[in-house]
Amino acid sequence: QSVLTQPPSVSGAPGQRVTISCTGSSSNIGAGYDVHWYQQLPGTAPKLLIYGNSNRPSGVPDRFSGSKSGTSASLAITGLQAEDEADYYCQSYDSSLSGRREVFGGGTKLTVL
Amino acid sequence: EVQLVESGGGLVQPGGSLRLSCAASGFTFSSYWMSWVRQAPGKGLEWVANIKQDGSEKYYVDSVKGRFTISRDNAKNSLYLQMNSLRAEDTAVYYCARKRFDWFDPWGQGTLVTVSS
Repeated sequence: QSVLTQPPSVSGAPGQRVTISCTGSSSNIGAGYDVHWYQQLPGTAPKLLIYGNSNRPSGVPDRFSGSKSGTSASLAITGLQAEDEADYYCQSYDSSLSGRREVFGGGTKLTVL
Repeated sequence: EVQLVESGGGLVQPGGSLRLSCAASGFTFSSYWMSWVRQAPGKGLEWVANIKQDGSEKYYVDSVKGRFTISRDNAKNSLYLQMNSLRAEDTAVYYCARKRFDWFDPWGQGTLVTVSS
């Protein structure tokens, strides 16, 4: 069970807008830690998609955007394209008795209909 | 071009050991924290370990503490993960990743570790 909760799957038709949520708690996202998003295309390594809640690395289309509020964050994809079909993961920090550690969401599989 | 290439994965029996390597190129390796992240078959991502630029600080996920050791050789631009007392639940693709502030970028292509008798 992941510390950060994501829906297992989302889907949308080409051209549509989809959002993927990432829900945490007061020990991670709610504590003020930034959220980052990764895209993992089938059979490949994860790739950074959004960093610092809402920043896009060079080369990432502006169809991808991120936001954070309270104990949750969201990734939005507009103008859905077939090549967006992938797994998406959120990542943040979590503070516990063991110390501060990196944590990931369980991942969301995006299907382009 | 920034590149990370892992090696050393394979099939190992429960209780056995394995050493993973990650060769870095295209950036000043000694200037960055480095990490290992793993992904069990069909599952999500799990952070495993971090190491500071000079190796003076190391952090591990609870499930590998005392069994895994992260290390680096800045002269060789290389990152390592020594894995001892391996268990079936350690079966995963292990990714080497550069740590930039709070996030991981880029990632290597991964190396598969299978723990099975």
